[in-house]
Amino acid sequence: SQQGEEDPQALSIQEGENATMNCSYKTSINNLQWYRQNSGRGLVHLILIRSNEREKHSGRLRVTLDTSKKSSSLLITASRAADTASYFCAPGSSNTGKLIFGQGTTLQVKP
Amino acid sequence: DAGVTQSPTHLIKTRGQQVTLRCSPKSGHDTVSWYQQALGQGPQFIFQYYEEEERQRGNFPDRFSGHQFPNYSSELNVNALLLGDSALYLCASSLGVGGLVNEQFFGPGTRLTVL
Repeated sequence: SQQGEEDPQALSIQEGENATMNCSYKTSINNLQWYRQNSGRGLVHLILIRSNEREKHSGRLRVTLDTSKKSSSLLITASRAADTASYFCAPGSSNTGKLIFGQGTTLQVKP
Repeated sequence: DAGVTQSPTHLIKTRGQQVTLRCSPKSGHDTVSWYQQALGQGPQFIFQYYEEEERQRGNFPDRFSGHQFPNYSSELNVNALLLGDSALYLCASSLGVGGLVNEQFFGPGTRLTVL
């Protein structure tokens, strides 16, 4: 399916450490998007990487995309307590015109 | 520039009742998508509206219906509510361009509780 599958399901780190989350998918995509959700609130778009891009940076975020392996990773460097949230990847395909979210990775950053 | 707004914030209904949720997209956006998010789960795609028509639909029964108005705002209607419909309902807006899935801006959601 087009659904992104995040790994790990949960991650707990200390403030200042780096956090890496992975995403796998099964179909061809036009882009892949990462979103963050603070507890019980709406999702916030973090970054969009297109299928012809391999790496993209935005502040402390680094996203990689390997279309041959149908996988992506999100790296948050120098994490902060405020980064505590759930993170979702969403592969986007013009074949379906919609985003399908996985269950996400719950990140806890301890002060 | 107002972002995506949703109303109401919270709603409590009983089984069998009907509910209408509302969404105003981000200024300049013409596409609205609705998602249902159960506790501890990722958002599940319900449907998407563009040019006042339902363009895409997820695996949801006909009890879930929607509408998009000429000003691009949208409503989600759920009939014959079940306990399992209790969830956070999220609206997301985007700029529809040739079917590509672009960045979506989400509203804060409506928390629906069915008793």
